[in-house]
Amino acid sequence: DAGVTQSPTHLIKTRGQHVTLRCSPISGHKSVSWYQQVLGQGPQFIFQYYEKEERGRGNFPDRFSARQFPNYSSELNVNALLLGDSALYLCASSLVTSGSRETQYFGPGTRLLVL
Amino acid sequence: GQQLNQSPQSMFIQEGEDVSMNCTSSSIFNTWLWYKQDPGEGPVLLIALYKAGELTSNGRLTAQFGITRKDSFLNISASIPSDVGIYFCAGQPLNEKLTFGTGTRLTIIP
Repeated sequence: DAGVTQSPTHLIKTRGQHVTLRCSPISGHKSVSWYQQVLGQGPQFIFQYYEKEERGRGNFPDRFSARQFPNYSSELNVNALLLGDSALYLCASSLVTSGSRETQYFGPGTRLLVL
Repeated sequence: GQQLNQSPQSMFIQEGEDVSMNCTSSSIFNTWLWYKQDPGEGPVLLIALYKAGELTSNGRLTAQFGITRKDSFLNISASIPSDVGIYFCAGQPLNEKLTFGTGTRLTIIP
C-alpha cells in the first residue's frame, strides 16, 4: 500500500506570493494533520482535519489555512508568504482522530523556500 | 511553540555501541511515539507506546512509556551505520495535538 504522498516535493516562491501544498493520506485513513518543520527543530503542529472538519489548530497566523476533501486528501494554503515561512511542510495521516491509540504516519514533505 | 525536552541533543558513538535517549514533559501523555528522520525526508515511525509502563521492541530498538506518563526512553542496541539520523520523540495528551521533542542527532564514528 502507498504511504502518505505529498506534492510538490520542492517549491520556490517570493515574498508576498501564496502557495498550495497537497497531501494524500494512507488508504483508509480519515484524518490528516499538517506540520511545519524549520531547520534544526522538531515538527510544529499547524492543523488537523477529520472528515472534512477542522479538529485542531496550532499557533499559526490566519495566513495559514487548510481544507480536506471528500476523498480525505488535503490542501494547505499559505498567503502573503514571508521569508520565515521557509521550511519543510509535513503531512501526516492517522486512522483515528482521538482516543488513546492515534498513530500518525508522515509523508516525505514539501520543501518550501521563500526568497 | 511548545516542545518536549529531549536529551541528549547529539551523540557521537562508535559502531556496535548501545544508545540511550529520553524525553520528558511537564504534561501527562496518553501516547508516546518515536520517529527517525533522515535529511530532507519525513519522520518514519519506529515505535508507538500507548500505556504507562509499556515496554516495546522493534528489532534492535526498545522504547518505554514512563510510569509517570511524563517521560519516555528509547534504546538502540549494537548500533550500525544506518542508525545515523535524527530521532524525535512525540507525545500526545488525550484529544490534544501531537507535540514533538527537540530531537537527538546520532552520529556514528568509523
